[in-house]
Amino acid sequence: QKEVEQDPGPLSVPEGAIVSLNCTYSNSAFQYFMWYRQYSRKGPELLMYTYSSGNKEDGRFTAQVDKSSKYISLFIRDSQPSDSATYLCAAYGNNRLAFGKGNQVVVIP
Amino acid sequence: DADVTQTPRNRITKTGKRIMLECSQTKGHDRMYWYRQDPGLGLRLIYYSFDVKDINKGEISDGYSVSRQAQAKFSLSLESAIPNQTALYFCATSAPGRRITDTQYFGPGTRLTVL
Repeated sequence: QKEVEQDPGPLSVPEGAIVSLNCTYSNSAFQYFMWYRQYSRKGPELLMYTYSSGNKEDGRFTAQVDKSSKYISLFIRDSQPSDSATYLCAAYGNNRLAFGKGNQVVVIP
Repeated sequence: DADVTQTPRNRITKTGKRIMLECSQTKGHDRMYWYRQDPGLGLRLIYYSFDVKDINKGEISDGYSVSRQAQAKFSLSLESAIPNQTALYFCATSAPGRRITDTQYFGPGTRLTVL
């Protein structure tokens, strides 16, 4: 079992819809949780991170972590075609960073 | 991406050939990493280095070797390339220091095809 599980199935949504992405993790040592965004033909870049359980909002993006259920979520409100990318969740703890497989998101104008 | 550069960006080679992928960074970070990315498998860590004298195996190091020539340079070698090493390879850097998390900065990637 991978330490961070993310269903890689592509997700297509119409412009303006809410995008909901999620991951689960298994290592209780993970304390920090991140979302990376990867555009086609580019390397991943950090989108946002949260510490322990709770929510963090940054513009149209909201990251949620529920440590009791080991569940990580990312919500994108008012999605735009420019949000079309692959989103990778990641978890960090004890000097170890683990990535999920990534979710391809396509926002249709 | 300009702070972390990778060469070459694309490479096609034949089975059995030795290949070197190079990574340079101008971010002044101590930590450097090599990952490969495959469809359906995501990012997998090959090797990482926390400083010039430190080299560590990741989850899929077999068939690969690395060299940390300087703080800014970290190269990945495939001693005898095989077709299942066809993938997108990323170099990354980080500098946790006093940061609360280990944000990694990725290069633009090298697309390697082994025929």
